[in-house]
Amino acid sequence: AQSVTQPDIHITVSEGASLELRCNYSYGATPYLFWYVQSPGQGLQLLLKYFSGDTLVQGIKGFEAEFKRSQSSFNLRKPSVHWSDAAEYFCAVGPNSGNTPLVFGKGTRLSVIA
Amino acid sequence: ETGVTQSPTHLIKTRGQQVTLRCSSQSGHNTVSWYQQALGQGPQFIFQYYREEENGRGNFPPRFSGLQFPNYSSELNVNALELDDSALYLCASSRDRGAGELFFGEGSRLTVL
Repeated sequence: AQSVTQPDIHITVSEGASLELRCNYSYGATPYLFWYVQSPGQGLQLLLKYFSGDTLVQGIKGFEAEFKRSQSSFNLRKPSVHWSDAAEYFCAVGPNSGNTPLVFGKGTRLSVIA
Repeated sequence: ETGVTQSPTHLIKTRGQQVTLRCSSQSGHNTVSWYQQALGQGPQFIFQYYREEENGRGNFPPRFSGLQFPNYSSELNVNALELDDSALYLCASSRDRGAGELFFGEGSRLTVL
C-alpha cells in the first residue's frame, strides 16, 4: 500500500538558517510527488511537484525538493528561512496514472525563531 | 487563492445530528475530492467525484456520502455524527480524475459535541 513518512513532527530553525524537511514514501511505481504548506486555520497550498524529468524541482517561496529514487525520498529544502515560513508542511504521493488519490504524510510543523 | 470555496467555514453540531458541507470547484475543473484532517494529522481521503459520479472512496463508513452537481460543485454529507468526526474537512478540485495537482479550499471546521 502507498504510504508517506515524514519523520520529523516538529522542527525549529532560526530565521535565516537553512531548512530541510524529510519525506520518504512507499509506492509500487514511480509516483507523482508533492509538497503542500498549510498555515494555521487555512487550506493546503501547493509548494512544488515532481512528475518526471529533472529530479531537482523548484517551487514557490524559494523552496526546492529533490527526488531520489534509490532512497524513496523527496526532501524539501530552503536555503534561508523567513519567519513567514512557519507553518505545517505535508508531503504527498500519487500515481502517475489511474485514479488512486493522493496519500499524505502526517506533516512536519515548522517553527521559526528570531 | 485557488478559486475553491467551501462553506460553512466553522460549525458546531451534537452527536447524532447530520451535517452538509459545500464546495465550489475551480473554474474548468470537473473533479472534486474530499479529505478529512483530524487535529495533528495529515489529510485522509474520503471520496472523489468525477462528472457527478463517485470515482473512488477511502476507508470511511457509508454515513459519509456526497454529491456532485452539473456545475461540478459538490456536497459532503455526514449522518449520525460522532465525536471523532470533529475535524477540518477539505475539498480539492482538479482538472481530471488522475492524481495531478489538487487545488484546495480553506476547509470547513466541524466540531461535534
